[in-house]
Amino acid sequence: EPEVTQTPSHQVTQMGQEVILRCVPISNHLYFYWYRQILGQKVEFLVSFYNNEISEKSEIFDDQFSVERPDGSNFTLKIRSTKLEDSAMYFCASSARGVTGELFFGEGSRLTVL
Amino acid sequence: AQSVTQLGSHVSVSEGALVLLRCNYSSSVPPYLFWYVQYPNQGLQLLLKYTSAATLVKGINGFEAEFKKSETSFHLTKPSAHMSDAAEYFCAVSAAGGTSYGKLTFGQGTILTVHP
Repeated sequence: EPEVTQTPSHQVTQMGQEVILRCVPISNHLYFYWYRQILGQKVEFLVSFYNNEISEKSEIFDDQFSVERPDGSNFTLKIRSTKLEDSAMYFCASSARGVTGELFFGEGSRLTVL
Repeated sequence: AQSVTQLGSHVSVSEGALVLLRCNYSSSVPPYLFWYVQYPNQGLQLLLKYTSAATLVKGINGFEAEFKKSETSFHLTKPSAHMSDAAEYFCAVSAAGGTSYGKLTFGQGTILTVHP
């Protein structure tokens, strides 16, 4: 069964460092997303990406964050200068059909900022 | 704006008992509603979804949910719990139509424990 894969599963970084989280969505999907879950809190929407551009982003997704689909298969989330409050589980998801389509989630990348 | 409230962060049932996980939503536009399940060390998996067709929705693993507009609820039920149902369950809402492109607003999750 096709699945969304994320790497790394866990990354520890120092505050102020750049982090790139990588995702390989399901191959025929067109819509891509990042969500995050801070420990003990709700899963929060960060950004959606369609047709090679951001289609929607949340207030959380400020200038420190960026997304890219560099080679037609990978979908990356970059945090330029990490803060302590960026520590969270980051989930990548993809969908074939957007609004009513099922989102397929990866297993998550746990980011710990020290 | 949309929001989801899941009543009860922890629910504990005996094997074979009814499972009822509560979800209430708030939405300024017609909603699409979803239940996702997360097993330990795994991603979120869709259990079922309501997208304005039948109000009683059946999902995987014997789960079902009923959309009640008058009560703004989308509670998840299963007649008989199995040990394998132990997981965290998330209710989510998105805006029907428009340009939300799959933006989901999640509830805080309910951890289901099943006792032998």
